[in-house]
Order: sequence, then C-alpha cells, then structure tokens
Amino acid sequence: QIQLVQSGPELKKPGESVKISCKASGYTFTDYAMHWVKQAPGKGLKWMGWINTYTGKPTYADDFKGRFVFSLEASASTANLQISNLKNEDTATYFCAREFGVPFDYWGQGVMVTVSS
Amino acid sequence: DIQMTQSPSSLSASLGDRVTITCRASQDIGNYLSWFQQKPGKSPRLMIYGATNLEDGVPSRFSGSRSGSDYSLTISSLESEDTAIYYCLQYDKYPYTFGAGTKLELK
Repeated sequence: QIQLVQSGPELKKPGESVKISCKASGYTFTDYAMHWVKQAPGKGLKWMGWINTYTGKPTYADDFKGRFVFSLEASASTANLQISNLKNEDTATYFCAREFGVPFDYWGQGVMVTVSS
Repeated sequence: DIQMTQSPSSLSASLGDRVTITCRASQDIGNYLSWFQQKPGKSPRLMIYGATNLEDGVPSRFSGSRSGSDYSLTISSLESEDTAIYYCLQYDKYPYTFGAGTKLELK
C-alpha cells in the first residue's frame, strides 16, 4: 500500500539545523512530485513548496526561500527537508504530501519540530 | 498570490444537519480546488478535488460545488465522525494557497 513515512520529532535550539525525511513506498517515487506543508501549533496549513522527484529541481514559496532546502535520495525513494539557522517561529509540524495532477492524495504523518533554548 | 477566503471560521451543527462551508478565490482558479479534512493530531485527508470530484473512499454525503469564484463543501447529513477542521486549497497557480480553515463541531 502507498505510504509516506516521515522521521521522528525533533527538539532543537535556535541557530541549529534540522533535516527531516519522507520515505515513500507503494508507488513509483519519480512519478509524483513531493510537496512540503507547514502547520504551526494551533494554526492552519501553509504550502512551503515542492520538489520534482524526477529532476530534483526544488521550488520554494517566498516565505521559505533562504533557510529551507528540499532534496532527494531518489535511490531510497526519500525526500528531505532541511532547515538551517532555526528560529522560534519554525516550531511546527511539517508534512510531506505527493502530487500527480491532483495534489496531496497521500500525506506523511508529520514531523513535529520544536525550537527552544 | 491567490487569496482563499474561507467561511465560516467555525460552525456548530447537530447530527443529521446539512452543513456547507465556502471558499472564495481572489482570482480565477477554474476548478483547481480541493477540500481537506483534518482531525486532531492527524494528517489532512483529501476529500474533494477538481472542485466537485469525490476522492475514493470518501462517504457520499460529502459533495463539492462551484458558483463563479465561490466553492462549497457540503455535508448532506452530519455524522459525529465529521467533526474536524476543513481546509480548501487552490492549486491553479503557485504558490498553492489554503483557506484559513473551518472548525466543525457538534451542537
């Protein structure tokens, strides 16, 4: 069955970096784009951008340019999100979700990233 | 960016009620509109795509419609399991944008 399995929760200090992963199974990884969505505690969903899993090209929403990097380990059917120079406002749950024409038919379970000194 | 104005922000309804949630797009998005259901501590679930198409496995009491730039999600007869937060998403143009969400509770 189709699954997107994300890595575990993270507790980081301001200024540190974090890398979270999203491992896909049950379908051909390169057939579907992978998107990232942020949800701050008690808040709504915010689209961060996406990565073309065939070419590796990332596209970032304006608010996520600079400190955020989408990458792939295509041989492992895995998409990664790295956030550098963490800030308190990066505290959130980060979801991966796939798209092929129709966005987000499958989602990862989410990764809670907590930034606190 | 395309703004999605979702209303109401919260809604209290009784079992068996007909419930409607609406999103208005700030510019033309055609039918590139989806609806998601999110329960506490869970990932969002795709309910409707292409404005009117029911995702596989979604109960038939859910439906989507469009009137101009207004898009609606309707639950024909509310069941207890439908309590959740509902979000619309436009995927016509980047950046994709979500509505602010509607919290649906039982009265």
